Amino acid sequence: GAVVSQHPSRVICKSGTSVKIECRSLDFQATTMFWYRQFPKQSLMLMATSNEGSKATYEQGVEKDKFLINHASLTLSTLTVTSAHPEDSSFYICSARDAAGGGYTFGSGTRLTVV
Amino acid sequence: DAKTTQPNSMESNEEEPVHLPCNHSTISGTDYIHWYRQLPSQGPEYVIHGLTSNVNNRMASLAIAEDRKSSTLILHRATLRDAAVYYCILGRSAGNKLTFGGGTRVLVKP
Repeated sequence: GAVVSQHPSRVICKSGTSVKIECRSLDFQATTMFWYRQFPKQSLMLMATSNEGSKATYEQGVEKDKFLINHASLTLSTLTVTSAHPEDSSFYICSARDAAGGGYTFGSGTRLTVV
Repeated sequence: DAKTTQPNSMESNEEEPVHLPCNHSTISGTDYIHWYRQLPSQGPEYVIHGLTSNVNNRMASLAIAEDRKSSTLILHRATLRDAAVYYCILGRSAGNKLTFGGGTRVLVKP
């Protein structure tokens, strides 16, 4: 079945630094990938839609200059949390859908802790 | 986006069936009904999806009401590994975003 690989699975960074999270579709091409954030005991909140070769579409209230998204190829999207602060600590999850059809596949998530 | 309503939580005994309801009264004709589940500290996992007809796969069955305003996910024999949060989500055409609601937390008792 379709597999989405997300790295790193856990990261701890200092306040003010930037962190990059990678999302790769291993056995399919994805023209569109999605980035979610999940706080403890809450549901997933869609942050942005990543489009291959074009600018990402951000949900209302999500700062595009803080959460930089790059989708340079059909199998890779990256999310960079810039100038991270403790309130950015969360579980970040990516998702992709096979351009040929089928369900959405999710990565295993990245737990970011900003200290 | 059309909204779904699910109970916050449900309990089941191991080896017994679990019926998870979902109401989606504002569903449009092009909305697919998707079900995903999320185990603790993991990304969501695809369970099943359908449009109008009932669907079966190795994980579960999806029963869709004739008017499509509600659906039920059926886990035929719950195991401890089925303990998770189950999300019912409406999604349209390929590539469209999935918006998650609160989901139902399923507890399976041995």
